[in-house]
Amino acid sequence: KQEVTQIPAALSVPEGENLVLNCSFTDSAIYNLQWFRQDPGKGLTSLLLIQSSQREQTSGRLNASLDKSSGRSTLYIAASQPGDSATYLCAVTRTALIFGKGTTLSVSS
Amino acid sequence: EPEVTQTPSHQVTQMGQEVILRCVPISNHLYFYWYRQILGQKVEFLVSFYNNEISEKSEIFDDQFSVERPDGSNFTLKIRSTKLEDSAMYFCASSPLIGATNEKLFFGSGTQLSVL
Repeated sequence: KQEVTQIPAALSVPEGENLVLNCSFTDSAIYNLQWFRQDPGKGLTSLLLIQSSQREQTSGRLNASLDKSSGRSTLYIAASQPGDSATYLCAVTRTALIFGKGTTLSVSS
Repeated sequence: EPEVTQTPSHQVTQMGQEVILRCVPISNHLYFYWYRQILGQKVEFLVSFYNNEISEKSEIFDDQFSVERPDGSNFTLKIRSTKLEDSAMYFCASSPLIGATNEKLFFGSGTQLSVL
């Protein structure tokens, strides 16, 4: 059974800092991996999708990597801003999305 | 930009009552999903739906749950007899394809269900 784990559970950084969020999964037979952002009381916004054949994807200040063989992904956020404060969820897809519990990020100004 | 819309945003019900949660997926999408998130826990898959039938369901999706696409635009989740433990945020999602490695899921903003 696929399990997705995210470390750390929470992270507080000052504005401008670069940071890395970690995601690990137990079964490497995935179609893709997605990173989502969730704001309190809101839905999920897809940030990046990495196909199983890819190693990384970039969007603006975000860069996500995927190492299928080791069952790991990282989300790198450059020059963090207070508006980046949210919960970041990692999810892997085979047929349905299997989510991690998320990392709650707080960026202080 | 097209989006998935869910109604109502909040629903309060008494234990044992039936509730119907409604979703309007993105118009050209073919696959529809329900997920839920109990407070403080992971987002969990409930069911996927394609071509007017369930394509996959989780252990959570027992006989108390049902889904329907009553017309060309709505997608509903019915809980027949609600229990306290059904209290959660329920998310609807849709995608154009399934099994394609580059297809994203688009999520609605959720319905917060509170069972008293």
